Amino acid sequence: GENVEQHPSTLSVQEGDSAVIKCTYSDSASNYFPWYKQELGKGPQLIIDIRSNVGEKKDQRIAVTLNKTAKHFSLHITETQPEDSAVYFCAASTASYDKVIFGPGTSLSVIP
Amino acid sequence: DVKVTQSSRYLVKRTGEKVFLECVQDMDHENMFWYRQDPGLGLRLIYFSYDVKMKEKGDIPEGYSVSREKKERFSLILESASTNQTSMYLCASSFQGKDTQYFGPGTRLTVL
Repeated sequence: GENVEQHPSTLSVQEGDSAVIKCTYSDSASNYFPWYKQELGKGPQLIIDIRSNVGEKKDQRIAVTLNKTAKHFSLHITETQPEDSAVYFCAASTASYDKVIFGPGTSLSVIP
Repeated sequence: DVKVTQSSRYLVKRTGEKVFLECVQDMDHENMFWYRQDPGLGLRLIYFSYDVKMKEKGDIPEGYSVSREKKERFSLILESASTNQTSMYLCASSFQGKDTQYFGPGTRLTVL
């Protein structure tokens, strides 16, 4: 079945710097790659997603890139702010109906 | 605004007890999911349902069962709780297909 790896597990950056989180997946049939942000005490919330017919997608300070050949995708956050501090999960769809497989998560700390 | 509510934020049970975790969504979503979240393991799918009275096993269904008698409600049942089921449990719903999943705030279950 699908397996999603995510690195790094923890990341600390200075406010204003960029942060990059990388994920790899195993199932070449995967075609949907969402990213979720989980703030303390809350459930995860979708922040951006990408489908396999595009290589990059941007939404203000966040962007996601996808390399289907290498089976990896990345989240880029520019001009980080303290409110970006959270746990970020990448995920990949499987061929099965409506399921996604989540990575283990990255704890991002933005230091003011 | 989509709202997914879970019956309890914190729950403490004894080994061997039967435990019910309830989840309700108010957006007429077709799909509902139960995950458990453990440090370093991300979100692991226990069960999901794509219609009333329909259920599908996720990746870690052992020791759990589910019930979906009404479209808006999805219950997770631990028939005989064990200490290794101490975890954070997250419920989610989505409209259909590979769509955004909306998560509840989670229930932190401790089994003593």
